[in-house]
Amino acid sequence: DAGVTQSPTHLIKTRGQQVTLRCSPKSGHDTVSWYQQALGQGPQFIFQYYEEEERQRGNFPDRFSGHQFPNYSSELNVNALLLGDSALYLCASTGGVFINEQFFGPGTRLTVL
Amino acid sequence: DAKTTQPNSMESNEEEPVHLPCNHSTISGTDYIHWYRQLPSQGPEYVIHGLTSNVNNRMASLAIAEDRKSSTLILHRATLRDAAVYYCIPQYNNNDMRFGAGTRLTVKP
Repeated sequence: DAGVTQSPTHLIKTRGQQVTLRCSPKSGHDTVSWYQQALGQGPQFIFQYYEEEERQRGNFPDRFSGHQFPNYSSELNVNALLLGDSALYLCASTGGVFINEQFFGPGTRLTVL
Repeated sequence: DAKTTQPNSMESNEEEPVHLPCNHSTISGTDYIHWYRQLPSQGPEYVIHGLTSNVNNRMASLAIAEDRKSSTLILHRATLRDAAVYYCIPQYNNNDMRFGAGTRLTVKP
């Protein structure tokens, strides 16, 4: 089992561009959450997907959007990139929305210049 | 949402026990207490969770105060590999885990 995988590992974009990050959940998991982690801070919840729908959303603007596919993989899209969007983007998967261990991927490091 | 207070940093010697405290005085009756840790250059990793009773697993023990306003994560014998940021998260479910700043644990050989 490969666990949670994310791609790409690193990404450099310029202000105003758009970016798509990808996540494959751990085998058997149907729920995917996305987090943003700025340098030196804890992860901040962006949103969660289950059954191809956004179930819950954190305090992030509409520039952040996502999608979940029938195979449970997920994408995070960020439009009109700002310098402040530079962060580590983490994907986590779990087998349900209640008290189950979340498995995190290694993250995608996004740098906005 | 319950607020948490954790020390910014702690140090331990290798092979000694480590007690990582967390105050969560505003915790609700239905919140579980989750602990995750994040090793350098990795995503967070689940450690343990509990509701009212003390919990043990292969990684650690969780001691929960009777009034549930605080808890302590216990690493019985710290190793160099345990050096990480440890997060205490009181939460009903895992829909939107609210990570704080955590405690940075340094393990000295």
